Amino acid sequence: DAKTTQPTSMDCAEGRAANLPCNHSTISGNEYVYWYRQIHSQGPQYIIHGLKNNETNEMASLIITEDRKSSTLILPHATLRDTAVYYCIVVPTGANSKLTFGKGITLSVRP
Amino acid sequence: GAVVSQHPSRVICKSGTSVKIECRSLDFQATTMFWYRQFPKQSLMLMATSNEGSKATYEQGVEKDKFLINHASLTLSTLTVTSAHPEDSSFYICSLPRPSTDTQYFGPGTRLTVL
Repeated sequence: DAKTTQPTSMDCAEGRAANLPCNHSTISGNEYVYWYRQIHSQGPQYIIHGLKNNETNEMASLIITEDRKSSTLILPHATLRDTAVYYCIVVPTGANSKLTFGKGITLSVRP
Repeated sequence: GAVVSQHPSRVICKSGTSVKIECRSLDFQATTMFWYRQFPKQSLMLMATSNEGSKATYEQGVEKDKFLINHASLTLSTLTVTSAHPEDSSFYICSLPRPSTDTQYFGPGTRLTVL
């Protein structure tokens, strides 16, 4: 079973920031928070991951609460191409860890 | 550019036939690959872990004799759906770990339709 809970869906306006929440209250100390997204009829795509510090890359920012029980993925300037299902996944450290996908959150970016 | 390829991208077959799906690592060698399937409007479900040079590890409830996995080289894993039936119609996706990380690269997926 997935160790994360996410809202079913949300939408945002093009050009605005999209803030996608995720709860992972049972996360263990050696588990990372990963975000992937899946555009319709494509394979998932890695976005970002973090352990306890906030992270930023060219795609997004990840904010993890101090108690690590929740996190927020931020897409700073959403575009129509960001419309996808976003999966928040808790992954234990160690090479070749299996991914357990939950239902994810469907983000719809409107013009 | 693409790191993982799958072939074919979509296939339609008759009930009772077998279908082979290929997953290729294009940029690096992969001793481990993963196979998922995704039914419409559902999430990805891990089917099995493909190990180069050894037997695949199947998830609970996945029939190993029906979903044959061969990982004969460090860049190629194949999934064969044997005696396919309409309920096997699904989106099949492979992934492989980026070396020395827990990040995974996913293939573009194969849409299987069994008539």
